[in-house]
Amino acid sequence: AQSVTQLGSHVSVSEGALVLLRCNYSSSVPPYLFWYVQYPNQGLQLLLKYTTGATLVKGINGFEAEFKKSETSFHLTKPSAHMSDAAEYFCAVSRLPSNTGKLIFGQGTTLQVKP
Amino acid sequence: DTAVSQTPKYLVTQMGNDKSIKCEQNLGHDTMYWYKQDSKKFLKIMFSYNNKELIINETVPNRFSPKSPDKAHLNLHINSLELGDSAVYFCASSQDGLAGLEQFFGPGTRLTVL
Repeated sequence: AQSVTQLGSHVSVSEGALVLLRCNYSSSVPPYLFWYVQYPNQGLQLLLKYTTGATLVKGINGFEAEFKKSETSFHLTKPSAHMSDAAEYFCAVSRLPSNTGKLIFGQGTTLQVKP
Repeated sequence: DTAVSQTPKYLVTQMGNDKSIKCEQNLGHDTMYWYKQDSKKFLKIMFSYNNKELIINETVPNRFSPKSPDKAHLNLHINSLELGDSAVYFCASSQDGLAGLEQFFGPGTRLTVL
């Protein structure tokens, strides 16, 4: 069975500092990996995804993530945090053996950005 | 233009009542989903429909019944509401039901059962 673990339910950074949100996955088949962001009282929005090919993927708003198979990780980074980045971030995996669009989410990480 | 819309945005009701949440997408997608987000913000898939056909049905109580009148709509009907049903329900859609595609989420419906 596939699963996702996000280390740190709450991350606080200063504006301009590096953002690092951690995601580890467990999968018996090559996974598809996603990062979604949820702003307060809104739905989820895709930041970036990895399916195949280049392991470093760039997303919207300056975020990027690197798929590391040996570490079963897909950590999300941004060089310089903005106040507007404060939100809930979810890592997710799909490509269960049935290859449906079913997403399995991590428990989420709340990013706080301090001025 | 709203891509995935849900109504109502807020729903407050008493235990034992029956309620419905509606979802519509104007993206021309074939697949739609319902997710439940609990009070700890944990998201879990409930159902998925592809072209009006049920393709994912997680271990959800049979008090929950999805209905898809056409591929642009996926409604969620809940019978005999319980306190534990209080959550935010998100509808989503994707181009088709295969893994790896972006899912577009609606704004959510916050259901409170008193």
